[in-house]
This record gives sequence, C-alpha cells and structure tokens, in this order.
Amino acid sequence: EVQLVESGGGLVKPGGSLRLSCAASGFTFSSYSMNWVRQAPGKGLEWVSSISSSSSYIYYADSVKGRFTISRDNAKNSLYLQMNSLRAEDTAVYYCARDRYSSSSGWFDPWGQGTLVTVSS
Amino acid sequence: DIQMTQSPSSLSASVGDRVTITCRASQGISNSLAWYQQKPGKAPKLLLYAASRLESGVPSRFSGSGSGTDYTLTISSLQPEDFATYYCQQYYSTLYTFGQGTKLEIK
Repeated sequence: EVQLVESGGGLVKPGGSLRLSCAASGFTFSSYSMNWVRQAPGKGLEWVSSISSSSSYIYYADSVKGRFTISRDNAKNSLYLQMNSLRAEDTAVYYCARDRYSSSSGWFDPWGQGTLVTVSS
Repeated sequence: DIQMTQSPSSLSASVGDRVTITCRASQGISNSLAWYQQKPGKAPKLLLYAASRLESGVPSRFSGSGSGTDYTLTISSLQPEDFATYYCQQYYSTLYTFGQGTKLEIK
C-alpha cells in the first residue's frame, strides 16, 4: 500500500524554526517528484514547494521562498521541509503529496494525513 | 504566478442534481488542470487530471471539460458522499496554484 506519513508539526513561536518529515512507503520513492501543500485553518489549499526525484529541480511558492527549504533522502525514503523565520500566517496543516506519475506529472496522489504547524507566542 | 479563480465559492444542491463548478486561469494552461475533492478533516483526493481524464476508481458521474483559461467540473447526479469542497489546480507552471475552493452543501 502506498503511504505517506508526516511528522514534526507542533507549536512554535514567531521567528522560530521547525523541520517537517514525510516517510514514504509502498512505492519506489526515488522515482517520484514530491511536494508540500498547506492549508490554513478554515482556508483553501496552498502549494508550498516541490522537489524532483533526484533533487535537481526545486521550486517554492513566493510566500515561503528564502525561509523554507525542501529536501529529500532517497536512501531513507523521506521528504523534509525545513521552516525558518516562521510567521503567524504559516499556521496550517502541512501535507506531503506525491506526483501521481513518476514522469513528474504535476498533479498529486496520494497525500499524507497532514501535520499541524501552529505559530504563536 | 498563474491565478486560479473558482466559481461559485459555495453551492447548495440536492441529491440527484447535476452541478457544475467553474475554474478560470489568469492565462492559458493548455488543459494542465487537476480537480480534487476534500472532506472535513481529510486529505484531498484526486478526481481528474489533464482537465478531463478521470482518475482510476473515481465514479463516472464526475467529468471535466474546458480549454484555454476556462474549465469545468461536472457531477451528473449528486450522491450523498459528494458533499465536500472541490479544488482545481494548475500544473502548467511549475509554480503550482490552487483555486480557492467550492463548498458543495446539501440543500
């Protein structure tokens, strides 16, 4: 069964840092581009960042560029999101999502269950 | 960035109704559009991609169409399990963007 499990969320003060992880199983992780998508409480979906299968291509939304860093460890079947200089508006459920096809499709399936990040003093 | 605008933002309908949700891109996206369904407290679920291709396992009452900047998601006969929030997403640009969502509620 294809599965994505996020971890690392929690409460952090403004200006603080947090590292999210996404553990992948049930598929050849090293063949797929991976993505982070977030959803603020009661709001819509916002794409955050993407990384290609070999980490050659990395993209960020303008809202997080310069503060967040996406990375992956194909040997550990894991995806990461290092979040620095956190702001209240970064409060959201963060989802890890796989590209649907290994040819770097751009649409996402499956998704993890999400991990909640709360930025508050 | 490409902006995606969905309409309506919310919609009330009854079981058995045919409903259509529209997604407009700020520039042409050459059918590089996906649709997702999200229920409260759950992760989004992929419904369609390439504007009109049905994801495996998704009921055939869901369909998509469109071209250029304008796209639609149609549910031909609403079922109780279809009441949810729907999002479009463009992948024409590698800076992916989602629409703001359409909440489909029971009338």
